Amino acid sequence: SQKIEQNSEALNIQEGKTATLTCNYTNYSPAYLQWYRQDPGRGPVFLLLIRENEKEKRKERLKVTFDTTLKQSLFHITASQPADSATYLCAFLGGYQKVTFGTGTKLQVIP
Amino acid sequence: DAEITQSPRHKITETGRQVTLACHQTWNHNNMFWYRQDLGHGLRLIHYSYGVHDTNKGEVSDGYSVSRSNTEDLPLTLESAASSQTSVYFCASDPRTDTQYFGPGTRLTVL
Repeated sequence: SQKIEQNSEALNIQEGKTATLTCNYTNYSPAYLQWYRQDPGRGPVFLLLIRENEKEKRKERLKVTFDTTLKQSLFHITASQPADSATYLCAFLGGYQKVTFGTGTKLQVIP
Repeated sequence: DAEITQSPRHKITETGRQVTLACHQTWNHNNMFWYRQDLGHGLRLIHYSYGVHDTNKGEVSDGYSVSRSNTEDLPLTLESAASSQTSVYFCASDPRTDTQYFGPGTRLTVL
């Protein structure tokens, strides 16, 4: 079955730098990859979706890439701010709207 | 504003008791989902529904059941609560697009 793998170790970066989070998947390339943000004690919030035939998608300070050769998606936050501190989840959208989630990477932006 | 709510937000129960967690959305979405989130496992799909009277088993459905008598609600029932079901439970809905909207979660402790 399809698996989504994210680095379980927390990522600490300095304010103003670019944060890069990695999502790797096994087996076949999903039609879509999604990225969600989750704050402590809250449900995930959808951020971006990238399709298999798209190399890159941007939204304000966020950028997502999708490399089907490497079986990898990268999530970038440019000019990071302390308010960006959260756990970021990668997810694979399969058939019938079923989503498989990675375990998430916790990002801490240090002022 | 349309929203998705869960109740209760926190619940403590004893092993063997039946527990029902409520999920209510006001978007009129056909698709609704229940997930559990545990450290090291991320979000795992328990049950899902594509419309009234439709229910389907997810990845970790043993010991859980759902029913869908209207569009707005998808209650999750633990038939006989077990300590292994201590977790945070999230309900989500989507309008058959590429985005899921999550509720705030219910923290369940089974003693």
